[in-house]
Amino acid sequence: EAQVTQNPRYLITVTGKKLTVTCSQNMNHEYMSWYRQDPGLGLRQIYYSMNVEVTDKGDVPEGYKVSRKEKRNFPLILESPSPNQTSLYFCATGPRSSYGYTFGSGTRLTVV
Amino acid sequence: GQQVMQIPQYQHVQEGEDFTTYCNSSTTLSNIQWYKQRPGGHPVFLIQLVKSGEVKKQKRLTFQFGEAKKNSSLHITATQTTDVGTYFCAALGGSQGNLIFGKGTKLSVKP
Repeated sequence: EAQVTQNPRYLITVTGKKLTVTCSQNMNHEYMSWYRQDPGLGLRQIYYSMNVEVTDKGDVPEGYKVSRKEKRNFPLILESPSPNQTSLYFCATGPRSSYGYTFGSGTRLTVV
Repeated sequence: GQQVMQIPQYQHVQEGEDFTTYCNSSTTLSNIQWYKQRPGGHPVFLIQLVKSGEVKKQKRLTFQFGEAKKNSSLHITATQTTDVGTYFCAALGGSQGNLIFGKGTKLSVKP
């Protein structure tokens, strides 16, 4: 079954404590991307990757890091989380033809 | 950078009424995608439009891409309670993979 798996689903953490949100896909997709969703602001792209070892900034990359060492995994790293990074995060993947992204189930992050 | 403006932000309809959401860009788009997000869920890809003037239908949903490829619309005929959710349009930004979303139209349907 085609899947995009994000972990964890929910996370409450404290300011400054490094965390990683994992994303894994089994569809052999080249494109992977991270979005954050906030009320009234819609979905904003944080980072995206068009292939292994190829990553690029989206619209709101500040405070985030990513890596793409393997095709199937695209972790999102918050080195020093702050309360303004409290949000709902989605990982998404898509084929090279860019025919629509498949989204993970989301990670609701709260930074206190 | 690329921006897509989506209106309205909210739409409340009575079940059985029609619904339309619009997506506009100041620049020519290579394609446009539409997604639906149910309450508490994740966005789900509905369709992609590529050609100027293209019209596609999925049951009660009709998707249109403008002749100038700067605007698009999603029309739902005779809404049902299962149509509740937020509908997003999305377009490519500066490069493949850089998919920019509109802010969405939240549809509520009163039975």
